[in-house]
Amino acid sequence: EPEVTQTPSHQVTQMGQEVILRCVPISNHLYFYWYRQILGQKVEFLVSFYNNEISEKSEIFDDQFSVERPDGSNFTLKIRSTKLEDSAMYFCASSELAGFEANTGELFFGEGSRLTVL
Amino acid sequence: QKEVEQNSGPLSVPEGAIASLNCTYSDRGSQSFFWYRQYSGKSPELIMFIYSNGDKEDGRFTAQLNKASQYVSLLIRDSQPSDSATYLCASLNTDKLIFGTGTRLQVFP
Repeated sequence: EPEVTQTPSHQVTQMGQEVILRCVPISNHLYFYWYRQILGQKVEFLVSFYNNEISEKSEIFDDQFSVERPDGSNFTLKIRSTKLEDSAMYFCASSELAGFEANTGELFFGEGSRLTVL
Repeated sequence: QKEVEQNSGPLSVPEGAIASLNCTYSDRGSQSFFWYRQYSGKSPELIMFIYSNGDKEDGRFTAQLNKASQYVSLLIRDSQPSDSATYLCASLNTDKLIFGTGTRLQVFP
């Protein structure tokens, strides 16, 4: 069964360092997302990406965050200068259709990348 | 602010009982609603979605939607210890999901 894969599964970094989290979405999917979940809190939307550009981003997704799809298969989230409060599980998700088209918006989530900022 | 509200629990039920999980949402424009299961340290897994008023059944799971009351629920029949997890309710807003904080379900033998 096709799946969304994420690397690394766990990354520890020092405050102020740059981090890149990588995702390989399901191959025929067109819509890509990053969500995050701080320990014990809700899953929060960060950004959606379609047709090689950001389609929507949340207030959390400020200038220190960026996404790109460098090679047609990988989808990356970069955090330029990490802060302690960036410590969280980051989930990549992909969808074949956008919710407003399919009225289902079924997302397939990867297993997550746990980021710990010291 | 579009919100999805859930009681954090834990909800404890004996094995074989019906577990009832509830969720309310603030955005009357929301059309579709999702129930995800999340085991500790794992990613959310879709259980089912619903977008029409009424009930939708899938195996041991029944989702219920009442748009007038802005209320969504999930019933789990014949609860098993393996159902012990956090259940996330989510609404679809444009093409992103807005999640609630989740309800932790504990099924004891």
